[in-house]
Amino acid sequence: QVQLVESGGGLVKPGGSLRLSCAASGFTFSDYYMSWIRQAPGKGLEWVSYISGSGNTIYYADSVKGRFTISRDNANNSLYLQMNSLRAEDTAVYYCGHIQTSGYPLDYWGQGTLVTVSS
Amino acid sequence: QSALTQPRSVSGSPGQSVTISCTGTSSDVGGYNYVSWYQQHPGKAPKVMIYDVSKRPSGVPDRFSGSKSGNTASLTISGLQAEDEADYYCCSYAGNYPSWVFGGGTKLTVL
Repeated sequence: QVQLVESGGGLVKPGGSLRLSCAASGFTFSDYYMSWIRQAPGKGLEWVSYISGSGNTIYYADSVKGRFTISRDNANNSLYLQMNSLRAEDTAVYYCGHIQTSGYPLDYWGQGTLVTVSS
Repeated sequence: QSALTQPRSVSGSPGQSVTISCTGTSSDVGGYNYVSWYQQHPGKAPKVMIYDVSKRPSGVPDRFSGSKSGNTASLTISGLQAEDEADYYCCSYAGNYPSWVFGGGTKLTVL
């Protein structure tokens, strides 16, 4: 069955960097778009970034553009999010998500990893 | 791209029905039959309840149904149960860049 397991979250100072990872299993990883979704404490869901199976199509929310970089390693079934120049407002639980189709995005989610940006 | 508009909260008694609306534009909700709904309990990852406007994934009770009219999609939960108390988010395909947008979320309280 499909499993998505995030790692790499933690406490970081403003201006610092962090790299999130998502280990995927149970499906042909390279065939699917993958995404990062975040949820700030007490707030709603926000698309952070997504990437096509080949890596050729990438989207970033305006709030992270120029600071975050999404990437994937299809040989190792892994998704990454490199987060630089972190700000307090980036504090959130970050979820890795599998995108099945245009009408069926996020059929599988990871358990989430907490990123806290604070001095 | 603006977020889709949902009511901040709805409530209902056990056994009743509630409907949560999700209003977008002709560029997202109204333009595609690609609306999905997610249920999130506190401290948990969201779970998809409806996709392609009205389809239910395997395992989701048929008490959950989805529909769409114009630029507004709706999630109806009939026969409310205590375990339905959660936050609900809609999501719509919006074409290219970004391809999807979320609603702001609705808190469902079962009285």
